[in-house]
Amino acid sequence: DAGVTQSPTHLIKTRGQHVTLRCSPISGHKSVSWYQQVLGQGPQFIFQYYEKEERGRGNFPDRFSARQFPNYSSELNVNALLLGDSALYLCASRWGSVATGELFFGEGSRLTVL
Amino acid sequence: AQTVTQSQPEMSVQEAETVTLSCTYDTSENNYYLFWYKQPPSRQMILVIRQEAYKQQNATENRFSVNFQKAAKSFSLKISDSQLGDTAMYFCAFMKHVRSGNTGKLIFGQGTTLQVKP
Repeated sequence: DAGVTQSPTHLIKTRGQHVTLRCSPISGHKSVSWYQQVLGQGPQFIFQYYEKEERGRGNFPDRFSARQFPNYSSELNVNALLLGDSALYLCASRWGSVATGELFFGEGSRLTVL
Repeated sequence: AQTVTQSQPEMSVQEAETVTLSCTYDTSENNYYLFWYKQPPSRQMILVIRQEAYKQQNATENRFSVNFQKAAKSFSLKISDSQLGDTAMYFCAFMKHVRSGNTGKLIFGQGTTLQVKP
């Protein structure tokens, strides 16, 4: 079975541009979460979606937005990119909304902002 | 607000030996979950072990075990018989219990880079 898949794996943008990152959860998983991992630090929670509804949001500016589609895949959008947005963006899925079930992570999208 | 602290940025251990990674956390909650995740150089984060705060017994998964001290808010990971494949960054993480308004959010520590030497 396929795990959590993310695209693109690497991308380079310049300040002020917009980026869209995509995530496909494990088949049967209805919840998708997004995390930002700056180099050398632990992941920081950005969003959680369940059944196409936002269920949680971390301390990130409004430049960050996301959505979940009927097939449970998800997009993370970041507008007006700043140098500080350079990071590994991780997507994770689980079966339930706030279940204690295992959270499965993708390999991430490495964003570099120049 | 909850915080998770890992005070050991880097550690190393000889193959086949035992190593313990430290984690402390701060919360006013009584019920919650604690996790150790492993992030190998390939970057995919993998769950190593999970502990539910209401359970007295320390969790064990093969060569991995935890020492959960609720009063001290300490949650260390012990890796026995270390293998080269254990080389990775290890993250301690906290999650509120569902009855405490859990949104599924994990709060991670800063991570400990573990190098297993042959």
